[in-house]
Amino acid sequence: QVQLVESGGGVVQPGGSLRLSCAASGFTFSNYGIHWVRQAPGKGLEWMAVMSHDGNQKYYADSVKGRFTISRDSSKNTVYLQMNSLRVEDTATYYCAKVVGRLPGYFDFWGQGTLVTVSS
Amino acid sequence: DIVMTQSPDSVAVSLGERATINCKSSQSLLYRSDNKNYLAWYQQKPGQPPKLLIYWASTRESGVPDRISGSGSGTDFTLTISSLQAEDAAVYYCHQYYSTPPTFGQGTKVEVK
Repeated sequence: QVQLVESGGGVVQPGGSLRLSCAASGFTFSNYGIHWVRQAPGKGLEWMAVMSHDGNQKYYADSVKGRFTISRDSSKNTVYLQMNSLRVEDTATYYCAKVVGRLPGYFDFWGQGTLVTVSS
Repeated sequence: DIVMTQSPDSVAVSLGERATINCKSSQSLLYRSDNKNYLAWYQQKPGQPPKLLIYWASTRESGVPDRISGSGSGTDFTLTISSLQAEDAAVYYCHQYYSTPPTFGQGTKVEVK
């Protein structure tokens, strides 16, 4: 069955960095794009970034452009989100989600999420 | 960016009664070349990730009960739960995938009265 497992979250000080991972299984990884979506505590969903199935297309939310970088390693069936210059307002649960169709596409499966806390 | 606005923010419905959630987009989500509305609905329960319910505005995802349905076109969309069950208590989000950045409504909390 389809699985997306996020990892790499934790507590970091403002200005710090984290790298999140999204390990995929149960489907042909090279055929699907992957999004990152975050949810601040008690708040709604906010889209962060997407990478196409072949890695040729990458898009970012304005709020993270220049600070976050999405990448993928097809040999490990994993997508990464490198987060630099973290701010208190980046505190959230970060989900990866599998895309259906041409970008941006809809999300037919989500991981369980990993919590990032930015605090001094 | 396309702004998605849901109404109401929350609703309490008795078991077996109908729940209706509205979603309005700031521009049309109907793509003329394929005549499809690029609108999806998700359900999120506490401590869980969102779950896809509806895509193309009205196509039910496999395994979603038929009491849950989506309708609408252009800029106005509706999610209907025809006969609310206890397990339907959740927050529901609409999502446009017509253009990047994809955007979500603010969410509607459905509670059992």
